[in-house]
Amino acid sequence: DAGVTQSPTHLIKTRGQHVTLRCSPISGHKSVSWYQQVLGQGPQFIFQYYEKEERGRGNFPDRFSARQFPNYSSELNVNALLLGDSALYLCASSLTGLSNQPQHFGDGTRLSIL
Amino acid sequence: AQSVTQLDSQVPVFEEAPVELRCNYSSSVSVYLFWYVQYPNQGLQLLLKYLSGSTLVESINGFEAEFNKSQTSFHLRKPSVHISDTAEYFCAVSPAYSGAGSYQLTFGKGTKLSVIP
Repeated sequence: DAGVTQSPTHLIKTRGQHVTLRCSPISGHKSVSWYQQVLGQGPQFIFQYYEKEERGRGNFPDRFSARQFPNYSSELNVNALLLGDSALYLCASSLTGLSNQPQHFGDGTRLSIL
Repeated sequence: AQSVTQLDSQVPVFEEAPVELRCNYSSSVSVYLFWYVQYPNQGLQLLLKYLSGSTLVESINGFEAEFNKSQTSFHLRKPSVHISDTAEYFCAVSPAYSGAGSYQLTFGKGTKLSVIP
């Protein structure tokens, strides 16, 4: 069975640009979460979606937005990119997103801002 | 809100020696506890989890962790490490309830385990 897939794997952007990252969950999983992992730090929670509804949001500015599609895939959008947005962006899926369910992570998208 | 402290950023250990990676957490509510492992250029893989019941949990590859509520700790141990265990290990918690604020994992900063031949 395919795991969580993310695209692209690497991306280089300049300050002020916009970026869209994509995630396909494991088949049957209806919840997708997004995390930002800055070099040398643990992942930080950005969003969780379940059945196309936002169910949780971390402490990130409004430049960050996301959505979930009817097939449960998801997009993370970041506007007006800053140097500090350089990070590994991880997507995780689980059956329903409840806190007692393990989250399955993709290999991430490495975003570099020049 | 929850927080996780991993006291050691790097742990070097010789092959076949035992290792302990320390994790302490802070929370005003009951939590579920997790250890994830991250190999270079990869995402995180769940190593083991504590939800309820026995405070000692084990993984299939020889790691174990013990939940200590009084010390708010969830230390990870392995009696004999292999070269292939070289990776970064993250401790994480999530609130043990359903509802607003419960859907996120809070991670520590990670511990890099280096196994020396």
